[in-house]
Amino acid sequence: NAGVTQTPKFQVLKTGQSMTLQCAQDMNHEYMSWYRQDPGMGLRLIHYSVGAGITDQGEVPNGYNVSRSTTEDFPLRLLSAAPSQTSVYFCASSYGDGFYNSPLHFGNGTRLTVT
Amino acid sequence: AQSVSQHNHHVILSEAASLELGCNYSYGGTVNLFWYVQYPGQHLQLLLKYFSGDPLVKGIKGFEAEFIKSKFSFNLRKPSVQWSDTAEYFCAVMAYNNNDMRFGAGTRLTVKP
Repeated sequence: NAGVTQTPKFQVLKTGQSMTLQCAQDMNHEYMSWYRQDPGMGLRLIHYSVGAGITDQGEVPNGYNVSRSTTEDFPLRLLSAAPSQTSVYFCASSYGDGFYNSPLHFGNGTRLTVT
Repeated sequence: AQSVSQHNHHVILSEAASLELGCNYSYGGTVNLFWYVQYPGQHLQLLLKYFSGDPLVKGIKGFEAEFIKSKFSFNLRKPSVQWSDTAEYFCAVMAYNNNDMRFGAGTRLTVKP
C-alpha cells in the first residue's frame, strides 16, 4: 500500500527558480490538499481539491499554483521561489466525506530550502 | 474562517504523569474537531475526532478529548503518559461541511523516562 507519495524528499532552490512538488495517492481519494509546516506555526493550508478539475485556495495560497487533472495527482507549483517559502510541505488526501469516516492521510513530506 | 489556538508550546512530563493539552478554536458555527500526532521523523496520524454526540471522545493509545462548546475548547487528555508518547500534537478544526481544515501551531510533548 503506497498511500500518499511525495517527491522529492529534499530540494534546494535559488531565489527566483520554479519547481513542482509532486503528490500522488493510490487510494482513490477525492480530496487532496497541500500544507506547509513551519516551526511555531503548525500546518497551514495552501490549496485543496475536492475532485479532478476542482481546486480552491486555503490559508496561504500566494506564490503557489495547483491543478488537479486526475484523481491520483495533485502537484504544487512554486512559480518564483522565495526564501519565505523555505518549509516542509505535506500533501494529504481523504475520501472527501468531510473526514468523517476517512481521516486525512499524510505523505512523508518534502523539505524545501530556498537560498 | 475558523482558527485554532494551542496554548502550550512545549510540555515536559515524567512517565506516568497525567497529560492535558489545551485547544481552543474560533468559529461561530458547527465544527468538526480533530487531534493529530506527529512522532519524530514521521508524518501526521489521526488520534481522535469529534463530529457529534458524546462530547467525550476516545482515541487510540489511551487518549481522549472533551468538546466543551461553551468554551470553544477541545482539550486532549491522557491519564498516564509513556515515553513513547513523545511527539508533537496538533489540534485541528473544520467548519461543518467545509473542506478547509485548519491546524493549530502544535504542542511538543517530551516524556522523560
